[in-house]
Amino acid sequence: AQTVTQSQPEMSVQEAETVTLSCTYDTSENNYYLFWYKQPPSRQMILVIRQEAYKQQNATENRFSVNFQKAAKSFSLKISDSQLGDTAMYFCAFTPLNNAGNMLTFGGGTRLMVKP
Amino acid sequence: DADVTQTPRNRITKTGKRIMLECSQTKGHDRMYWYRQDPGLGLRLIYYSFDVKDINKGEISDGYSVSRQAQAKFSLSLESAIPNQTALYFCATSDMGQGKTQYFGPGTRLLVL
Repeated sequence: AQTVTQSQPEMSVQEAETVTLSCTYDTSENNYYLFWYKQPPSRQMILVIRQEAYKQQNATENRFSVNFQKAAKSFSLKISDSQLGDTAMYFCAFTPLNNAGNMLTFGGGTRLMVKP
Repeated sequence: DADVTQTPRNRITKTGKRIMLECSQTKGHDRMYWYRQDPGLGLRLIYYSFDVKDINKGEISDGYSVSRQAQAKFSLSLESAIPNQTALYFCATSDMGQGKTQYFGPGTRLLVL
């Protein structure tokens, strides 16, 4: 079974600063996908970024980037130039490549507050 | 229009009542899922379905049942609601491709008194 751990229940950052959210996971799988989802106060789950474990290059989406350390089973999310609209819950999630059902295992979430 | 819709958005019910949460999607995906979200626990899988004839239990299926009426519709029922089923419920869809990405509905907030 897989587990996903987000060790920071809450974080805050000043607007325009950079913040990094941590995620670690435990699996015996070699090939898998990792995701970061954002849940703003509207409660909608929004995909932020996706990383394929077989790709060495870290994924980037505009101000969002990841630091994927496969050996350490670590998958952190860096938000650059933080904006007020980044205030949200952030969830890290995992699914093995050979999981036909694509079921996700989620971490417990990190609540991020961006302060003006 | 949203690709994944859920009804109702909010619901208050009493202990022992039967309720149904509905999910519809226009993405054409074959896989559909129901999750519940509790504070500090993230999202946990209740049931998932590969297609109309293939339904599977997830991590926390006790007290819940589902129905896949069509490829586009997947309903979650609480046969006899209890207070610890108070939670935020999400429906999601995915396709075989698209890097296993799941697309979520807006959620249903359920309060069981």
